[in-house]
Amino acid sequence: GEDVEQSLFLSVREGDSSVINCTYTDSSSTYLYWYKQEPGAGLQLLTYIFSNMDMKQDQRLTVLLNKKDKHLSLRIADTQTGDSAIYFCAETDSGNTGKLIFGQGTTLQVKP
Amino acid sequence: SQTIHQWPATLVQPVGSPLSLECTVEGTSNPNLYWYRQAAGRGLQLLFYSIGIGQISSEVPQNLSASRPQDRQFILSSKKLLLSDSGFYLCAWSVQRRFGYTFGSGTRLTVV
Repeated sequence: GEDVEQSLFLSVREGDSSVINCTYTDSSSTYLYWYKQEPGAGLQLLTYIFSNMDMKQDQRLTVLLNKKDKHLSLRIADTQTGDSAIYFCAETDSGNTGKLIFGQGTTLQVKP
Repeated sequence: SQTIHQWPATLVQPVGSPLSLECTVEGTSNPNLYWYRQAAGRGLQLLFYSIGIGQISSEVPQNLSASRPQDRQFILSSKKLLLSDSGFYLCAWSVQRRFGYTFGSGTRLTVV
């Protein structure tokens, strides 16, 4: 079945760039997503990338997709303390249900 | 605009008691609806999803059930809660795949 894997923890200093990595298994995924979860809150869609794209940039966020290696990354430039959260990578499942398969989430800690 | 309401925000229930969590969506028609559970320090587990009124698919066998009595209403229930049912329950909806999910704010359930 589909599987999405992420490293569990990343710590950076304020002002540095953060890179959160994700690997997925379903090569037929049409869209891949990054979600952000702040403590005690639901998940917020940060950005998505269509599978025929290699890169997508949205202000401080850059998403890179390597379809050959099934690797997705999220780069946050000039990381701020407000970026501290759990970041989830997700892929669409192979069926027609619209289900998303989520990774375990990467906790980003930003130190001042 | 589309919104999703989930309540209650916090719930403490004794073992063996019933459960009813409600989720409603506004501003869209015929959404796909999802219930996820997030155990402490872990990723998201898909419990149920629905692509139409009265249609429920269960992902994980357990003592929970779901119903969709109206197009934009999704209910998660249990007749008798177990300690292992504790967690953070998230409702989500989607319409178009490229927009991913929109999540509710979640219900923190503690079974004591």
